[in-house]
Amino acid sequence: SQQGEEDPQALSIQEGENATMNCSYKTSINNLQWYRQNSGRGLVHLILIRSNEREKHSGRLRVTLDTSKKSSSLLITASRAADTASYFCATDRVGGANSKLTFGKGITLSVRP
Amino acid sequence: KAGVTQTPRYLIKTRGQQVTLSCSPISGHRSVSWYQQTPGQGLQFLFEYFSETQRNKGNFPGRFSGRQFSNSRSEMNVSTLELGDSALYLCASNRDRDSNQPQHFGDGTRLSIL
Repeated sequence: SQQGEEDPQALSIQEGENATMNCSYKTSINNLQWYRQNSGRGLVHLILIRSNEREKHSGRLRVTLDTSKKSSSLLITASRAADTASYFCATDRVGGANSKLTFGKGITLSVRP
Repeated sequence: KAGVTQTPRYLIKTRGQQVTLSCSPISGHRSVSWYQQTPGQGLQFLFEYFSETQRNKGNFPGRFSGRQFSNSRSEMNVSTLELGDSALYLCASNRDRDSNQPQHFGDGTRLSIL
């Protein structure tokens, strides 16, 4: 069953704009991770935020985590055409195993040049 | 450092056949997990192997099985293939089973069942 649900399902923006993607989950987690997938390729890890962290940055990426609302957001600033991909949030549940991530259905991001 | 390598990249089979997919993890990684990705169900966890032992299993029928060798390479097998088994099968590796570490994914094997 899906743990995470991303919102929106699809997002189309102009190059240079910011893209915000949201993820909600249902159970207590050890951490939440965001991955990117280009068409026909595997998943690339973007950022991991632990349950005791509220915000994390990596280059043009900013992730927030609100464990009281069981939600997370991924912000990509100054988007580029190369950011066009599907983005997934994945949770490592408390009592589970880091190797057994539960993924949402993903967000399709299109960045128009 | 080479990434996770999955072979073959593409595979076409017919119903009733069986198939074996291979995954070579990043050097030094001992945990290997398998996921199935379909448009309808998304990414679903199949199983995890660590030190040649299955440590976790998802909700898939017994037709799906796997194993891990002493060099950490892993194979998964699907027997009596069904049309619904058409999917992208992804393998991910990690150094160990410690939490708070990202998974490293291969590019997957695209399996098509005719």
